Amino acid sequence: SAVISQKPSRDICQRGTSLTIQCQVDSQVTMMFWYRQQPGQSLTLIATANQGSEATYESGFVIDKFPISRPNLTFSTLTVSNMSPEDSSIYLCSVDWGNSYEQYFGPGTRLTVT
Amino acid sequence: GESVGLHLPTLSVQEGDNSIINCAYSNSASDYFIWYKQESGKGPQFIIDIRSNMDKRQGQRVTVLLNKTVKHLSLQIAATQPGDSAVYFCAARREDSSYKLIFGSGTRLLVRP
Repeated sequence: SAVISQKPSRDICQRGTSLTIQCQVDSQVTMMFWYRQQPGQSLTLIATANQGSEATYESGFVIDKFPISRPNLTFSTLTVSNMSPEDSSIYLCSVDWGNSYEQYFGPGTRLTVT
Repeated sequence: GESVGLHLPTLSVQEGDNSIINCAYSNSASDYFIWYKQESGKGPQFIIDIRSNMDKRQGQRVTVLLNKTVKHLSLQIAATQPGDSAVYFCAARREDSSYKLIFGSGTRLLVRP
């Protein structure tokens, strides 16, 4: 496994603002994903971050709300735009090296929107 | 659509006893499963995985059993310790993608001293 870090670890933001979350891996990975985990709930996939191309979004998630970048094989960002209290969640990145289906998660970013 | 569900939202066990956490899935074509442990304030931690060509896989103090006939898998933790207290999720590989997972709702394991 690799070391996966996320910044910030937590933040409290005001309604209407945007927050960019970073995910850094200490080795090159094939797949990077972004998940949302609402309080007390399970994990929901937001999108797959594709290196050098636009992210692939799941049903119910759109690029205008959750723009994603992946400039290289070790780094990705997720922006939560025009935030509302309903966006208060834990946001998690995960990685897969592509040689198996094992997927490993970062520590998460706990976002509270007031 | 595909779904993965856990049978109990909470499981309370005595320290030293064995724990069994159950999970059911809907898609008979699912061929890969993972169990994760999530402690409070942390990201999910990979515990163990199993492919559909196996019925059983063992790790350190953990065993995963897969029953494809009834589309059920379980995670067994031997000699449960206070450090095992966490939420446990099962996840299945999605049929529409090689690398995407669908997660169950999670079971909170409470270990009584």
